[in-house]
Amino acid sequence: AQSVTQLDSQVPVFEEAPVELRCNYSSSVSVYLFWYVQYPNQGLQLLLKYLSGSTLVKGINGFEAEFNKSQTSFHLRKPSVHISDTAEYFCAVPVAGGTSYGKLTFGQGTILTVHP
Amino acid sequence: DAGVIQSPRHEVTEMGQEVTLRCKPISGHDYLFWYRQTMMRGLELLIYFNNNVPIDDSGMPEDRFSAKMPNASFSTLKIQPSEPRDSAVYFCASTYSGNEQFFGPGTRLTVL
Repeated sequence: AQSVTQLDSQVPVFEEAPVELRCNYSSSVSVYLFWYVQYPNQGLQLLLKYLSGSTLVKGINGFEAEFNKSQTSFHLRKPSVHISDTAEYFCAVPVAGGTSYGKLTFGQGTILTVHP
Repeated sequence: DAGVIQSPRHEVTEMGQEVTLRCKPISGHDYLFWYRQTMMRGLELLIYFNNNVPIDDSGMPEDRFSAKMPNASFSTLKIQPSEPRDSAVYFCASTYSGNEQFFGPGTRLTVL
């Protein structure tokens, strides 16, 4: 089964600074990859997804992620964060691998805290 | 669309009591997922349905947990009897043909 590892449990950053949240996946085959965001006291919301094609994926709220097959990574980046980006971020991959969306496995989450 | 609806949003109960969590998926979606989120274990998939049929319940922790989906617009997750270690946030999510999962706001369960 596929798995993902989020390398940082917490990332503090100042407002308007750049940020990178790291995610590595385990797979030797093509995969779909996802980043979800969870704002306080809310459910998860899809930020962006990699299906195929361009390795640079743009999502909502100015976030982007780069699929790197050689490093089996899918790091999330934003060039300038806002206070409102404070949330927990989850990387996810289909359990069965390949192109199946149905059953996802999530990383442990990275709490991004943006300070004024 | 109102999105995925879960009720109640908060539930406080005493150990040994039966707890029923409810979910209304987005209309037209054919997959429904139940997740549990805790600080210790993160986000865990408990069970998921396709066209109202349970497909994989390998994540259900034990026999005290059961889930049903009597029709395309309603699902329940029941815990009987409840225990303090069941305290968590329970999420329901739905999707159409295995595409993006849409999550509900969650039910925060506290078992005293």
